[in-house]
Amino acid sequence: DGGITQSPKYLFRKEGQNVTLSCEQNLNHDAMYWYRQDPGQGLRLIYYSQIVNDFQKGDIAEGYSVSREKKESFPLTVTSAQKNPTAFYLCASSIRGRLAGNNEQFFGPGTRLTVL
Amino acid sequence: GENVEQHPSTLSVQEGDSAVIKCTYSDSASNYFPWYKQELGKRPQLIIDIRSNVGEKKDQRIAVTLNKTAKHFSLHITETQPEDSAVYFCAASRGNTPLVFGKGTRLSVIA
Repeated sequence: DGGITQSPKYLFRKEGQNVTLSCEQNLNHDAMYWYRQDPGQGLRLIYYSQIVNDFQKGDIAEGYSVSREKKESFPLTVTSAQKNPTAFYLCASSIRGRLAGNNEQFFGPGTRLTVL
Repeated sequence: GENVEQHPSTLSVQEGDSAVIKCTYSDSASNYFPWYKQELGKRPQLIIDIRSNVGEKKDQRIAVTLNKTAKHFSLHITETQPEDSAVYFCAASRGNTPLVFGKGTRLSVIA
């Protein structure tokens, strides 16, 4: 899991501002994911991308946007439309295999976002 | 879509005892079931996984069992140690769809 990085580790934002979280991987993985983690809520999927220049909404996409211009990078923008953005954000990647069930995900170290 | 329920939400055991965490899933087509361990402030890390063509898998003190008919799978940790204290997440998926996670179990091992 050392091949997937997120920055910054801590991020503070004023209400009403957009902010972009970085996620980079050098594992040559096709698929990348963004999760939000709140206490007692587990990991909830925000967006995912299985191939460059394509991405799909997850369960809680409202107020977020992503891009996938390069295989290695999958940045997440938290917009001012996200009403409760304070959370721990985790990026993950996996090989998109042709065989069923080939879905082991590796996580980055996370970014803790706090809205002031 | 898939829904994963995980129980219990918290679990305390004495050091040396066993711990069992159970998950149920709703999509009978799910075929991949990983377990992740997350220590405080750290990233989740895969500790064991099982695929639908196998009923049980062991790795030293941890094991996972899968009952496809009942659509549930369990994590078993034997001879627990203080360093096993963490939050454990189960997940399920089919094919190349994203993992769906349970809400987690906070395990405390009391020395």
